[in-house]
Amino acid sequence: DAGITQSPRHKVTETGTPVTLRCHQTENHRYMYWYRQDPGHGLRLIHYSYGVKDTDKGEVSDGYSVSRSKTEDFLLTLESATSSQTSVYFCAISELGGRANYGYTFGSGTRLTVV
Amino acid sequence: DQQVKQNSPSLSVQEGRISILNCDYTNSMFDYFLWYKKYPAEGPTFLISISSIKDKNEDGRFTVFLNKSAKHLSLHIVPSQPGDSAVYFCAARRSQGNLIFGKGTKLSVKP
Repeated sequence: DAGITQSPRHKVTETGTPVTLRCHQTENHRYMYWYRQDPGHGLRLIHYSYGVKDTDKGEVSDGYSVSRSKTEDFLLTLESATSSQTSVYFCAISELGGRANYGYTFGSGTRLTVV
Repeated sequence: DQQVKQNSPSLSVQEGRISILNCDYTNSMFDYFLWYKKYPAEGPTFLISISSIKDKNEDGRFTVFLNKSAKHLSLHIVPSQPGDSAVYFCAARRSQGNLIFGKGTKLSVKP
C-alpha cells in the first residue's frame, strides 16, 4: 500500500476546542486532499494542496483551515470544533492530481467526535 | 446541487449472481469516471475507471459501462462474492479537476 498515514485514528473533543488532524505521506506526491465522509453525503472535499504552501478550498471548507509546510505533511485544523464537524476524515494523495487516470490513494481515516 | 448521484443507498445480491451498481451525473464536462470500494474502518480504494471516450472497461470480474447520452454509468460485478460486500463510490472528474464523489451504495453479497 502507498505510504499514507493519518493521526490520530480516533479523537473525541469538546465543542469550541481547536483540533488538528495530521496526514503524513512517504510517496513524495505533489497533491494532497482532505475529505469528510458523512452518512447520506458520501465523500466531500474540504481542502486540497497542490504543493508546499499551495492550498485551495473544496466544497465544504467553512470552519476548516489547512497547512502544508513540507511535502510529506498536510494538516487539517478545526479552529473551534462544532458538533456538525463530527465525521470521519480521510486524507488522500495523488502524484498527478487531475491528470491522473487512476484517482487518489486514501488513508485509513480519522474518526472525530465533537461532544 | 449534486453532480454525481448514486440513487440506491443499498443493494443485496446472492453470491454468484451479478451485482449492478448505478451512477448518474449532471456535468457533461466530466472526462473521467472512477469507482472506489470501501470496507468499514478503512479508506476507499480505487477499483476501476473509464474515460469519457470509451463506453466499456473491463478488469476481471468488474466491468464499467458508460452511456454518455444518458449521463449514466454502471459497475457490473460477475460473479459476486461475499468479499465484495462493501460501500461503492462513484466519482467523476473534469479535465485536471478534483474528484467529485457520489453518496455511495452499500453492497451486501449473501452466501
